[in-house]
Amino acid sequence: EVQLLESGGGLVQPGGSLRLSCAASGFTFTNYAMTWVRQAAGKGPEWVSGITGSGGGTYYADSVKGRFSISRDNSKNTLYLQMNSLRAEDTAVYYCAKAPGQFTGSGYFDSWGQGTLVTVSS
Amino acid sequence: QTVVTQEPSFSVSPGGTVTLTCGLSSGSVSTNHYPSWYQQTPGQAPRTLIYSTNTRSSGVPDRFSGSIVGKKAALTITGAQADDESDYYCVLYMGSGIYVFGTGTKVTVL
Repeated sequence: EVQLLESGGGLVQPGGSLRLSCAASGFTFTNYAMTWVRQAAGKGPEWVSGITGSGGGTYYADSVKGRFSISRDNSKNTLYLQMNSLRAEDTAVYYCAKAPGQFTGSGYFDSWGQGTLVTVSS
Repeated sequence: QTVVTQEPSFSVSPGGTVTLTCGLSSGSVSTNHYPSWYQQTPGQAPRTLIYSTNTRSSGVPDRFSGSIVGKKAALTITGAQADDESDYYCVLYMGSGIYVFGTGTKVTVL
């Protein structure tokens, strides 16, 4: 059974940094692209970033480009999202999600974690 | 900036049929966008319903179906049940690793 467990959320001041982790199990991690999706309270989800199975390809939404960095450690079955220069509008639940194939262009997300809350506030 | 639009809300009677749509602010939705659909209830992660336009995800009841209707992707619920009351989001693949979520539709079954 696929399991995705996010961690690392919390309260951070504007301008600060935070690193989210997503521990994966139940599948061969290196064979699948992964993505981060966030959802602000009362709003719809927003795709944030994706990474290929090898880690060689990374992609970002315009809203986070230059501030966020996605990476993965396939030896640890863990996905990361480094978030810098955080803003109030980055406040959201952040979900990691698995793609059905090695490349981010597989077209959809087939498994989801339960999310971790990031709050950016002074 | 690409905007993916959905109806804000729909109401359907138990046993009834409802079709939600997913359109692009400019242009038509095609199979090349690999339209997918997700169901979400408050406090829960999204659940994958449909991918690649019309393929049901494992365990999804066959009352959910996907299609392209005109210039939009569509999700049809045939024989709606009370536990179908949820928010529904479409996602379109825009190429180059980029995805865009739709604005979402709240479905009420009453």
